[in-house]
Amino acid sequence: AIWMTQSPSLLSASTGDRVTISCRMSQGISSYLAWYQQKPGKAPELLIYAASTLQSGVPSRFSGSGSGTDFTLTISCLQSEDFATYYCQQYYSFPITFGQGTRLEIK
Amino acid sequence: QVQLVESGGGVVQPGGSLRLSCAASGFTFSSYGMHWVRQAPGKGLEWVAFIRYDGSNKYYADSVKGRFTISRDNSKNTLYLQMNSLRAEDTAVYYCAKEPLAPGGAFDIWGQGTMVTVSS
Repeated sequence: AIWMTQSPSLLSASTGDRVTISCRMSQGISSYLAWYQQKPGKAPELLIYAASTLQSGVPSRFSGSGSGTDFTLTISCLQSEDFATYYCQQYYSFPITFGQGTRLEIK
Repeated sequence: QVQLVESGGGVVQPGGSLRLSCAASGFTFSSYGMHWVRQAPGKGLEWVAFIRYDGSNKYYADSVKGRFTISRDNSKNTLYLQMNSLRAEDTAVYYCAKEPLAPGGAFDIWGQGTMVTVSS
């Protein structure tokens, strides 16, 4: 299985800030990486796939980068609705795996 | 619109069985691979199982292999997860999710989830 290390696990920030979340793989996965946002009591929603492609309807303040083993999700100019938990996911091979999650909270 | 609706969750004793369903609408269900993902209370996401659009290939997480069976009925636009020999650690919200038309992609649509509680 491919192991993923997502960091940080908790991120405190203010509205208007720029934040980055990292995801590191135990082996190369090309660009088979996605980012999801989950709000309490709700299902996850796809933000980015193929490491850097924005899902339809997702605001352009979200961006993704990386390939191989190191990936980053960046949210520029945080809005109130962005405070949530974020997960990375590799879909390069089975078993599909998710990062441990990053809870983004209001400072 | 594209929608997935899970059902079948509930409370079951350890060692018991439960079958979850996921009803799909708003897209051509028979053309898409489907996944089950679960989330234990207060924990992260765990992928559980995948079935190819035509049911010809299935994959499972090691934690459920031999106990859970994923299946689908394309005539009923419905995905299933048969769960046997349930354990306390199977307690979670179970989500179904679809992959995009190009197979092997990220999960672009998720259901709202159904809660499974394994407890005596």
